[in-house]
Amino acid sequence: EDKVVQSPLSLVVHEGDTVTLNCSYEVTNFRSLLWYKQEKKAPTFLFMLTSSGIEKKSGRLSSILDKKELFSILNITATQTGDSAVYLCAVRTSGTYKYIFGTGTRLKVLA
Amino acid sequence: DAGVIQSPRHEVTEMGQEVTLRCKPISGHDYLFWYRQTMMRGLELLIYFNNNVPIDDSGMPEDRFSAKMPNASFSTLKIQPSEPRDSAVYFCASSLGGASPGANVLTFGAGSRLTVL
Repeated sequence: EDKVVQSPLSLVVHEGDTVTLNCSYEVTNFRSLLWYKQEKKAPTFLFMLTSSGIEKKSGRLSSILDKKELFSILNITATQTGDSAVYLCAVRTSGTYKYIFGTGTRLKVLA
Repeated sequence: DAGVIQSPRHEVTEMGQEVTLRCKPISGHDYLFWYRQTMMRGLELLIYFNNNVPIDDSGMPEDRFSAKMPNASFSTLKIQPSEPRDSAVYFCASSLGGASPGANVLTFGAGSRLTVL
């Protein structure tokens, strides 16, 4: 059965800290991986990764995929209270358009 | 575009009642997904449609759940009869679909929070 596991489940840091969130997967025929940020409402899209070793970057957030070791990480540098949210990763396999989501990492950034 | 539109935003009902959740996808998106989110199980895919046709309904919990997409701009998820364990946030999402990777990013609606007493 295809599976996506995120760690840690939750994390509390102080403003200015750097955090690394992990997403590992066991799926047949990997196609792509998405990262989302979810505050109190709908998940909002952050990154899509399809190729190994290529870093995607947007401001203080960056992400990279390792297809050999079957994981992705999401880095947030110089964290701010506005980064407090649940971060979700989702994996799609070839031959389907559905995404399997991990249970998320709940990040709380303290002022 | 207004994004993915869901209604109602909140629904409180009693066990045994019928519940209908509604979704309008982004215009031009060929794929529509229904997800359910709970604290215990996270985001679970219930069903998805391509060009109004159900493609994979393996995540639908049981016969009490049904989903339809009568046209490209409207979908419903119905629960009949509802039970307390159905309490969750139900999200609808849509994507363009196609060979380009970016065309398969999911855009979510704001969700419908269902409470069954």
